[in-house]
Amino acid sequence: DAGITQSPRHKVTETGTPVTLRCHQTENHRYMYWYRQDPGHGLRLIHYSYGVKDTDKGEVSDGYSVSRSKTEDFLLTLESATSSQTSVYFCAISESMTGEYNEQFFGPGTRLTVL
Amino acid sequence: TQLLEQSPQFLSIQEGENLTVYCNSSSVFSSLQWYRQEPGEGPVLLVTVVTGGEVKKLKRLTFQFGDARKDSSLHITAAQPGDTGLYLCAGESPGGSYIPTFGRGTSLIVHP
Repeated sequence: DAGITQSPRHKVTETGTPVTLRCHQTENHRYMYWYRQDPGHGLRLIHYSYGVKDTDKGEVSDGYSVSRSKTEDFLLTLESATSSQTSVYFCAISESMTGEYNEQFFGPGTRLTVL
Repeated sequence: TQLLEQSPQFLSIQEGENLTVYCNSSSVFSSLQWYRQEPGEGPVLLVTVVTGGEVKKLKRLTFQFGDARKDSSLHITAAQPGDTGLYLCAGESPGGSYIPTFGRGTSLIVHP
């Protein structure tokens, strides 16, 4: 199994508070991703990173920011949490040896509830 | 935006039955992955298919990539309760964008 952890695993917070989720990998993979998973919507990409300090937006990036100061850590921040951001958040990593595959390895997820 | 449609959305069967789930698109993919996600966990990669017409087997699971690389199927023989989970397909567009497109998944329940 790929060495990828997420913290915290569960969090309950109130509307308007900032929240930071952490993804840590021990695989030295280049690419890291943040997804949210909601019933009826499947996995939706929030932000991704293709290297240290290199990040870009996904399809649902509004209200979220990310940072990657080290290869192993990718942080997702909700600047001011809203109830619509209640979801399960997954981090994923990938590293292609051929440049053609994108096999992703997922963390265990963080269940976030915004009251 | 490339879309991957998975069907059926839900499937509830008895142990020992066979089943097939589908992943379809109007777009060509350079590769396609299948994942299984169990409740409370992250998706786990099952297989990657790359060549049109390719068939891969993983024990009782058979994966096929369409000749035109626009669709894929997963067939499970003699399903077991341990096969219960959400099956997701994900495709990567030609050119190696590293941004996969995920289908919404097929939720499978296998009853003992």
